[in-house]
Amino acid sequence: NAGVTQTPKFQVLKTGQSMTLQCAQDMNHEYMSWYRQDPGMGLRLIHYSVGAGITDQGEVPNGYNVSRSTTEDFPLRLLSAAPSQTSVYFCASSYPGPGANVLTFGAGSRLTVL
Amino acid sequence: AQSVAQPEDQVNVAEGNPLTVKCTYSVSGNPYLFWYVQYPNRGLQFLLKYITGDNLVKGSYGFEAEFNKSQTSFHLKKPSALVSDSALYFCAVRDPAVHNKFYFGSGTKLNVKP
Repeated sequence: NAGVTQTPKFQVLKTGQSMTLQCAQDMNHEYMSWYRQDPGMGLRLIHYSVGAGITDQGEVPNGYNVSRSTTEDFPLRLLSAAPSQTSVYFCASSYPGPGANVLTFGAGSRLTVL
Repeated sequence: AQSVAQPEDQVNVAEGNPLTVKCTYSVSGNPYLFWYVQYPNRGLQFLLKYITGDNLVKGSYGFEAEFNKSQTSFHLKKPSALVSDSALYFCAVRDPAVHNKFYFGSGTKLNVKP
């Protein structure tokens, strides 16, 4: 049982380049989300999804796109990278059960934009 | 708007002593509160959650948290700290209306010295 898998683990981009951070989960979780972690700011929600075909914006969505064509996958796209997007990105998944959903996180993707 | 605050960037404690990591929250509606731990270069791991019921919640690795509605606090505690508890700790609150939206505090670095 792999849990939540993120690729790549590390990436360096130049300003203006595009890329996709991949996220896959094998737990059949309906809910998936993307967070970015910056020093002193904790984790901030970028985009989230409550099921295949359904996505919505979080706190800091600008500069990022997502899609959810399958239950398993939730890629995060940077269309034109900016230095302000240098961060560590975490994908998380959970299931909407009773008693509040606990997030399972991936190991993270460290992105540097030059 | 929902939010959590972790007033201490860092907490230092000697091994064997009790530890407390502070968290206060602001939420419209019933609070669903969580603690997560992050070890270096890893994703976040769930420690415990409060939904309803007893104000003292027990979680993984001997941690517990005390919910105080009047003080809007959810402090993380452990009776006897271990060096291996040294990590970054995050408090989080779930959005009452959108069950896949979570708001995280800025994190508290716990240093346990031998």
